[in-house]
Amino acid sequence: GAGVSQTPSNKVTEKGKYVELRCDPISGHTALYWYRQSLGQGPEFLIYFQGTGAADDSGLPNDRFFAVRPEGSVSTLKIQRTERGDSAVYLCASSLGRVIKEQFFGPGTRLTVL
Amino acid sequence: SQQGEEDPQALSIQEGENATMNCSYKTSINNLQWYRQNSGRGLVHLILIRSNEREKHSGRLRVTLDTSKKSSSLLITASRAADTASYFCATDAGTYKYIFGTGTRLKVLA
Repeated sequence: GAGVSQTPSNKVTEKGKYVELRCDPISGHTALYWYRQSLGQGPEFLIYFQGTGAADDSGLPNDRFFAVRPEGSVSTLKIQRTERGDSAVYLCASSLGRVIKEQFFGPGTRLTVL
Repeated sequence: SQQGEEDPQALSIQEGENATMNCSYKTSINNLQWYRQNSGRGLVHLILIRSNEREKHSGRLRVTLDTSKKSSSLLITASRAADTASYFCATDAGTYKYIFGTGTRLKVLA
């Protein structure tokens, strides 16, 4: 079946602009994660959804970052007033749920803020 | 902050040799996972080991876990050029939030 997909694959924007990054998880996966990865670093946790609700958003760096998952499937990560420091690869992952821990990752969205 | 720290940061070996990389973490865990990442994009799950397990095998992979030392190791036997990638450990600390380490960059030379 289809894996996790993320769109766009690349996004170039200017400082101060608003961006939306989309994640389509594997069908039936109730858990969804967003991570941010900078060059040479491991993925950094941003937010975790169980169903429609954000179960843990402690990794969001500040209030410019927001994520939604209104129907418990597709999720959108929204970044307001982008800054150059937001440039990174944004990874989305999904898993079956609380018991099954294995996460399936999408290919990521490379965000570049000029 | 990242809980896991992989060691070494980079490793270069010849095809056919074994590769060992280590992960240390700071707080108690329920389970630890290892992932592989090619070309800086999506990660692929390799193996999960629970806190009550000491060793686990999957094909050419062997993972050990020592909760008293808060460390884990990943051994890849008979390495192949296709094993060239970055390897990360990820720990959960009693929640569903996973903390990834900084990774080991493995290069297998043909």
